[in-house]
Amino acid sequence: EADIYQTPRYLVIGTGKKITLECSQTMGHDKMYWYQQDPGMELHLIHYSYGVNSTEKGDLSSESTVSRIRTEHFPLTLESARPSHTSQYLCASKREGFYNEQFFGPGTRLTVL
Amino acid sequence: KNQVEQSPQSLIILEGKNCTLQCNYTVSPFSNLRWYKQDTGRGPVSLTIMTFSENTKSNGRYTATLDADTKQSSLHITASQLSDSASYICVVSAGTYKYIFGTGTRLKVLA
Repeated sequence: EADIYQTPRYLVIGTGKKITLECSQTMGHDKMYWYQQDPGMELHLIHYSYGVNSTEKGDLSSESTVSRIRTEHFPLTLESARPSHTSQYLCASKREGFYNEQFFGPGTRLTVL
Repeated sequence: KNQVEQSPQSLIILEGKNCTLQCNYTVSPFSNLRWYKQDTGRGPVSLTIMTFSENTKSNGRYTATLDADTKQSSLHITASQLSDSASYICVVSAGTYKYIFGTGTRLKVLA
């Protein structure tokens, strides 16, 4: 079982609130990713990081921001949540190397009212 | 445009039966293709990975095939179990960070 954790697992908040979704891994992986997944749809990459102090935007435009101050921690922040942010957010990590797999966390299901 | 298409969208089978899921891709450059299993409310878990030169890869009751010429892959599940009920996602790696995900096939195994 992968050692990658996400909190909270479920979050229901009102419009305009600031939220931070936490993601931590204990595998020492340099690469970390955030994906957004709507029900029945494919995963879309919103942010990724190659290591400490490295962050890049993914293919799907997102109003969220990320930081990577420590190898094991890759939090995602929404400054002002909106109903359009309602979705499942999945965090993943992997070791360097094309053929190493991404390990996924259990996800955070966010609902913005 | 890089794309991964999976079929069928959903499938219902009886316990003990076999089934085959399909994945067609148009991704360039191609690095590898991986099948994931995603249980409801959980993150995906890798089942198999295949590179350009590999035709088949097995993991227990799961067998994946890859035809790089036709850009098709399949996942065959043998002697299905209730615990196989999940979404199965085909993912093609197109480089260092680029992963193209299919929408998945939702499999339901009935007793």
